[in-house]
Amino acid sequence: ETGVTQSPTHLIKTRGQQVTLRCSSQSGHNTVSWYQQALGQGPQFIFQYYREEENGRGNFPPRFSGLQFPNYSSELNVNALELDDSALYLCASSLDGDSTDTQYFGPGTRLTVL
Amino acid sequence: AQTVTQSQPEMSVQEAETVTLSCTYDTSENNYYLFWYKQPPSRQMILVIRQEAYKQQNATENRFSVNFQKAAKSFSLKISDSQLGDTAMYFCAFWGENAGNMLTFGGGTRLMVKP
Repeated sequence: ETGVTQSPTHLIKTRGQQVTLRCSSQSGHNTVSWYQQALGQGPQFIFQYYREEENGRGNFPPRFSGLQFPNYSSELNVNALELDDSALYLCASSLDGDSTDTQYFGPGTRLTVL
Repeated sequence: AQTVTQSQPEMSVQEAETVTLSCTYDTSENNYYLFWYKQPPSRQMILVIRQEAYKQQNATENRFSVNFQKAAKSFSLKISDSQLGDTAMYFCAFWGENAGNMLTFGGGTRLMVKP
């Protein structure tokens, strides 16, 4: 069974640029959630995708957008990067759209915005 | 909106001893789940234990157990026989039926197990 993977591991961008982060869900999982974890804080929910549709969104501006593909892998896109977007971005996959299922987390992508 | 508070930013414990991490939450929901996640240094976040609010019995997973006090909205994690591998950030998290599929995390407690 393949676990949740994320790419890239680290990324450095400058203010105003755009970035795409990728996540491959665990085998058999059709739901992917994205979180932003600032240094020294708990993760904050960005959004969730279930069967290629957005299935819940946290308090993040529209410049944070996502996609889920037919194989249930997912992308997180952030436009017009700001310094405060520097964080660890985590994705988590689960078996179904019901969030009572255990979420399995990937290792994260560390984004630094200069 | 629900909030999750972990009042202990850092804790330490001697190997083989017991430690309790605190978590309180605030919600108006009746149907919800509570979780403890562990995030080791530079490693992936993993689920330690979960508790369904409708269950009165406290959840237990090997050396990990919870004290769930629904009326007090308290959900503490007890780690028995602490091991060096338990060194990590621990996050308490909440999922509510009407929370929009969102897991809400506390700010975390950094636990150091000393030899």
